Amino acid sequence: AQKVTQAQTEISVVEKEDVTLDCVYETRDTTYYLFWYKQPPSGELVFLIRRNSFDEQNEISGRYSWNFQKSTSSFNFTITASQVVDSAVYFCALSPTSARQLTFGSGTQLTVLP
Amino acid sequence: DGGITQSPKYLFRKEGQNVTLSCEQNLNHDAMYWYRQDPGQGLRLIYYSQIVNDFQKGDIAEGYSVSREKKESFPLTVTSAQKNPTAFYLCASGVGTEAFFGQGTRLTVV
Repeated sequence: AQKVTQAQTEISVVEKEDVTLDCVYETRDTTYYLFWYKQPPSGELVFLIRRNSFDEQNEISGRYSWNFQKSTSSFNFTITASQVVDSAVYFCALSPTSARQLTFGSGTQLTVLP
Repeated sequence: DGGITQSPKYLFRKEGQNVTLSCEQNLNHDAMYWYRQDPGQGLRLIYYSQIVNDFQKGDIAEGYSVSREKKESFPLTVTSAQKNPTAFYLCASGVGTEAFFGQGTRLTVV
C-alpha cells in the first residue's frame, strides 16, 4: 500500500519569506515517481514537478526548489521569497512506475499575506 | 486549445437522483481518471480507464459508474447509492505517469 503524508495542514507567511512544505511517503515499490501539484482557488490542479526515484538530485526552478531524500522518504518543496500569488493548496503525490494512478497527500493550504 | 473540459462547473441535485458529470479531452491521451476531493483531504481515485471500452475501479468506486465509449470522453455517473455525493470532482487524462487535470465540477446534493 502507498501513503503520502503532508503533516502541515495550513501555513501562513508574510510576502518575501521563504517557506518549506513537507511531504513524507511510504511505498513498497523500488521504483516510483513523486509529484507536486498546485491547486489555486479556481480548483484545477497545476503540475509543478515530477521526480523519478532513481534521481535524488535536488531541483531548482526559479523561486521553487525541491529536496528529495530517499533515506528519509521525503520530498520537500521550498518557495523562496514567497508572493501573494503563491497562495494555494499544494499537493504531494506518488505513483508507481508500473501504473499511472496517483496517491495524493491531504494537501497544505499556503497563505501568503501582503 | 488543447486540454480537459469538465462540465458543468457547479451542479445541484436532489437526494436520490442520479447525476452525470462530463469530462472531455482533446489531448489524444489513452488514460483518463476520475478523482473525488473532500474539504481538507487529498484526491481519491474513483475510476480510471487505460483504453477505450475498458475501465477499472479505484479506491472509492462504490456508488459510481463510468463508461468509455470514445477516447475523448469519460463521463462519471453519481448514483443514488453513493451515500455522501457532495464533493468536488476532478477528471484527469495522462500520458506516461503525468496527469493533466480539468477544472473540476462541484456537486452539491440537497
